[in-house]
Amino acid sequence: KQEVTQIPAALSVPEGENLVLNCSFTDSAIYNLQWFRQDPGKGLTSLLLIQSSQREQTSGRLNASLDKSSGRSTLYIAASQPGDSATYLCAVRPGYGGATNKLIFGTGTLLAVQP
Amino acid sequence: GAVVSQHPSRVICKSGTSVKIECRSLDFQATTMFWYRQFPKQSLMLMATSNEGSKATYEQGVEKDKFLINHASLTLSTLTVTSAHPEDSSFYICSAAGNTYGYTFGSGTRLTVV
Repeated sequence: KQEVTQIPAALSVPEGENLVLNCSFTDSAIYNLQWFRQDPGKGLTSLLLIQSSQREQTSGRLNASLDKSSGRSTLYIAASQPGDSATYLCAVRPGYGGATNKLIFGTGTLLAVQP
Repeated sequence: GAVVSQHPSRVICKSGTSVKIECRSLDFQATTMFWYRQFPKQSLMLMATSNEGSKATYEQGVEKDKFLINHASLTLSTLTVTSAHPEDSSFYICSAAGNTYGYTFGSGTRLTVV
């Protein structure tokens, strides 16, 4: 059974710092991995999607890496800003069962960037 | 592209009444949509998988007679909370598979049962 864990559960940093959020999964047979952001009381916004054949994806100040063999993904945020404050969730799509597989979510990291 | 619209964003209803939540894929067709429930400060809990033209698949422990799901078209899935009770108060979010096999989520519905 696939389990997804995120460390740390909460993180507080001063504005301008670079930071890394970690996601680990127990079964390396994944189709892809997706990082989301959730603001309080809102839905999820997709940040980056990494296919199983890829090792990293970049979008602006965000960089996500994937190491399937070790069951790890990291989300790197450069030059953090107060507007980055949110909960960050990683989700794994299993690599079996076709295109309709359900996502398995991590527990989330609550990020607070202090001005 | 790959936008999912969810309505309403907030709803307050009386105990014993039913509430319908809509989830629409605006610029793509979604044969499969997913419904999640989220409790405060917790991650998303998958409730059911909604399949266009067929019955939904419910996760273990989710009452299918209480949470009715209808997926009558390729762009619309609805979740109806029947005979709502205060313990049904929660944040409900839908999602659909967008392009390149990533998932797109709706903005969520805050349900409060009084």
